[in-house]
Amino acid sequence: SQTIHQWPATLVQPVGSPLSLECTVEGTSNPNLYWYRQAAGRGLQLLFYSVGIGQISSEVPQNLSASRPQDRQFILSSKKLLLSDSGFYLCAWSGRGADTEAFFGQGTRLTVV
Amino acid sequence: AQKITQTQPGMFVQEKEAVTLDCTYDTSDPSYGLFWYKQPSSGEMIFLIYQGSYDQQNATEGRYSLNFQKARKSANLVISASQLGDSAMYFCAMRRYSSASKIIFGSGTRLSIRP
Repeated sequence: SQTIHQWPATLVQPVGSPLSLECTVEGTSNPNLYWYRQAAGRGLQLLFYSVGIGQISSEVPQNLSASRPQDRQFILSSKKLLLSDSGFYLCAWSGRGADTEAFFGQGTRLTVV
Repeated sequence: AQKITQTQPGMFVQEKEAVTLDCTYDTSDPSYGLFWYKQPSSGEMIFLIYQGSYDQQNATEGRYSLNFQKARKSANLVISASQLGDSAMYFCAMRRYSSASKIIFGSGTRLSIRP
């Protein structure tokens, strides 16, 4: 069966520090991969998605970047965190078809102080 | 462009009552899929139900059903016989067939079930 791992679960980082969140998927190949951010009590904002290695689509211009160095690995990064980067970050994967749902990781709660 | 709108930020419902969570969407594509997810306070995202734009019948999954009105571009989630464990955030999402890699979500509705 397919599983998705996302870590760390919580993270407290100072303003100006770098960020690296990692997500890996097991049990499937060539998945679509996603990074979402959720502000407290709010909806999911699509940040990046990827359909293959090295292929990244950015949805919102911001202080973040994403990379997909391997088929089942998706990394969210920042060189210098801002206070506004605080939030709940969710990684997800899905199959290719539009009728397939996304499966989510457990999320990372990031607090920038 | 595609957009999902959930106009109910929060709802309170008595246990055992049915509840309808609203979702409207905007897309010019004729083919698309609509999804509902539940997010408990733990933060995990739980897939509930799917409706395809060409499906003739409304989707059902246990106590969940989807009231799909294509002409009105609405896909409301109906939860029958609500339970305390249904208290959570609920999100509507859409995925177009022409750009199937992208999945967008609405702002969510926080449902609280009263005992």
